[in-house]
Amino acid sequence: SQQGEEDPQALSIQEGENATMNCSYKTSINNLQWYRQNSGRGLVHLILIRSNEREKHSGRLRVTLDTSKKSSSLLITASRAADTASYFCATTRYTGFQKLVFGTGTRLLVSP
Amino acid sequence: SAVISQKPSRDICQRGTSLTIQCQVDSQVTMMFWYRQQPGQSLTLIATANQGSEATYESGFVIDKFPISRPNLTFSTLTVSNMSPEDSSIYLCSVGQGAGETQYFGPGTRLLVL
Repeated sequence: SQQGEEDPQALSIQEGENATMNCSYKTSINNLQWYRQNSGRGLVHLILIRSNEREKHSGRLRVTLDTSKKSSSLLITASRAADTASYFCATTRYTGFQKLVFGTGTRLLVSP
Repeated sequence: SAVISQKPSRDICQRGTSLTIQCQVDSQVTMMFWYRQQPGQSLTLIATANQGSEATYESGFVIDKFPISRPNLTFSTLTVSNMSPEDSSIYLCSVGQGAGETQYFGPGTRLLVL
């Protein structure tokens, strides 16, 4: 079963605006990763945040992690039309194998 | 990061047939995984491909339906057997560099079963 739930399911914004996506999960985790998928293609890794980290930045991306609330957020600042994609969070719960459990995803549409 | 290729990139198959998907990595990796993404859905792990031993399947997936090979540290295959329209999905392989580290994904194989 899916561990992560993401909201919103879909988000539509204008270029230049910020986009925030949220991910909640159910069990303790080792780390949480965010991925982008363009038009049903392969996934592109965006950022990994470990369970002992609270915030991480990468270019226009900012990820936060609140393990007490079992939630994470992905903020894309100054969005561009090229950011249009589906965004997934995925958690790793180390059990001897590195298994990723994916959230339901957020479809982001950035209009020019 | 690892560079991963998959073959075929897409295929249209008749029900009852089988398709083997190949995943090639440009470097030796310990962990290789196979995922399924049904239309409009998120990704679900099918199995972990272990080099030198049988794959480890997730609940709901069985070896007879999804046999996997892992002959070496850079290559794996997933076969979708006795296909039905419900198998129409994108199949993706990924590689991990160790527990707790980033996973990298191939471009996926888009399968349509008629």
